[in-house]
Amino acid sequence: EADIYQTPRYLVIGTGKKITLECSQTMGHDKMYWYQQDPGMELHLIHYSYGVNSTEKGDLSSESTVSRIRTEHFPLTLESARPSHTSQYLCASSPATGVNQPQHFGDGTRLSIL
Amino acid sequence: KNQVEQSPQSLIILEGKNCTLQCNYTVSPFSNLRWYKQDTGRGPVSLTIMTFSENTKSNGRYTATLDADTKQSSLHITASQLSDSASYICVVSDRGSTLGRLYFGRGTQLTVWP
Repeated sequence: EADIYQTPRYLVIGTGKKITLECSQTMGHDKMYWYQQDPGMELHLIHYSYGVNSTEKGDLSSESTVSRIRTEHFPLTLESARPSHTSQYLCASSPATGVNQPQHFGDGTRLSIL
Repeated sequence: KNQVEQSPQSLIILEGKNCTLQCNYTVSPFSNLRWYKQDTGRGPVSLTIMTFSENTKSNGRYTATLDADTKQSSLHITASQLSDSASYICVVSDRGSTLGRLYFGRGTQLTVWP
């Protein structure tokens, strides 16, 4: 069982609020990722990081931002939440070496913006 | 355009029966193909990873096959159990970048009835 944790698991919040979704892993993985997943649809990469102080935008345009100050921590922030941000957000990590390494996923945060 | 298509979209089988899920892809250049299991409300969990040179890989009652020539993969589940009810996601990685970009299918939703 992979040790990657996301909090909160569920969040219902009003429009305009600032939100931070937490993701932590205890495996010492250098690579970390944020995905967005809507029901019945494929996962879309919105952010990734190769290591501390490294962050890149993914394939799906997102108004969120991320930071990577510590290896184990990769939080995602929405400065002003809108109903269009309603979705499930999944965090993942993988070792730095070996492109054939699986990504380990957290259980996600289901976000609902009213 | 790099794509991953899965079929069927959903499947219902009786406990104890076998089933096969299909994945066709157009991703090039190919690096590896992964099958993930995603339980409702949880993150995906890796079942198998296969590289170009591998044409079959097993993980307990799960057996994945890969035909890199026809760009097809299948996931065979033997003697299904109620706990197999989940979404099964096919993911293909290219080797066109250091990141090893992942292309996700939309998944097959499997329901096992008692």
